[in-house]
Amino acid sequence: GQNIDQPTEMTATEGAIVQINCTYQTSGFNGLFWYQQHAGEAPTFLSYNVLDGLEEKGRFSSFLSRSKGYSYLLLKELQMKDSASYLCAVRDGGSYIPTFGRGTSLIVHP
Amino acid sequence: GAVVSQHPSWVICKSGTSVKIECRSLDFQATTMFWYRQFPKQSLMLMATSNEGSKATYEQGVEKDKFLINHASLTLSTLTVTSAHPEDSSFYICSARPETSGSYEQYFGPGTRLTVT
Repeated sequence: GQNIDQPTEMTATEGAIVQINCTYQTSGFNGLFWYQQHAGEAPTFLSYNVLDGLEEKGRFSSFLSRSKGYSYLLLKELQMKDSASYLCAVRDGGSYIPTFGRGTSLIVHP
Repeated sequence: GAVVSQHPSWVICKSGTSVKIECRSLDFQATTMFWYRQFPKQSLMLMATSNEGSKATYEQGVEKDKFLINHASLTLSTLTVTSAHPEDSSFYICSARPETSGSYEQYFGPGTRLTVT
C-alpha cells in the first residue's frame, strides 16, 4: 500500500513564496505528480517528477528526493487565483495509476 | 491539449433511483478511463479502471453491482449509480489515458456533483 502525507491547510500572502511538502511511503516508486484543484472542479496537472531534483515551470517548481520519500511544490509570486487545493499523487512500482494524498488547501490573502 | 468532458455536471436524484454519468474524451482515443470519487475536503479515491471492450476493474470496497461501468467505445465510458442513497452523494470525476500515452498522461474531466435526496 501507500502512505502519502501533506499538510491539510496553509496560508500565505499575495506576492510571497510558499512551499507545500509531501512525504510518501510506497512499495517501489514510479513517479510523483502535483495537481491543482479549485473547489468544485477537476484537478489540473502541474508537474511530474520521476528523478531526483528540481523541475521548474514558470512560477511553480517541484522537487523530488526518492531516497527521502519527499517532494515539495514551490509557488512563487503568489496570486489570489492560486488559492486552491494542491494534491500530491504517487505511483508505486507496480502500477501506472497514481494514488492521491488528501491535498493541501492553500489560502492566499492580500 | 487533450479534453475530457463529463455529463451531467451536476445532478439531483431521489433515493432509490439510478443515475448515469458519461465521460467522453473529445479529441483523443482512450483505451483506459478511470473513475474517482471525492468527498468534501477528502482526496480523490479511485473507484475503478475502465478498459474499452472489457470488464472494469474495481478497487477494493467498491461494489461493482452498485456502480456499473461500461466502456463501449474508445471515447466513451459511463458510470451508473444504481439504487442511489444519500451516502452516495459525492463529486465523481473521470479521467482518461490516451491510447498513445506516454508514461504519465492522464486527463481529468470537470467532474459531476451528485446529490441524492
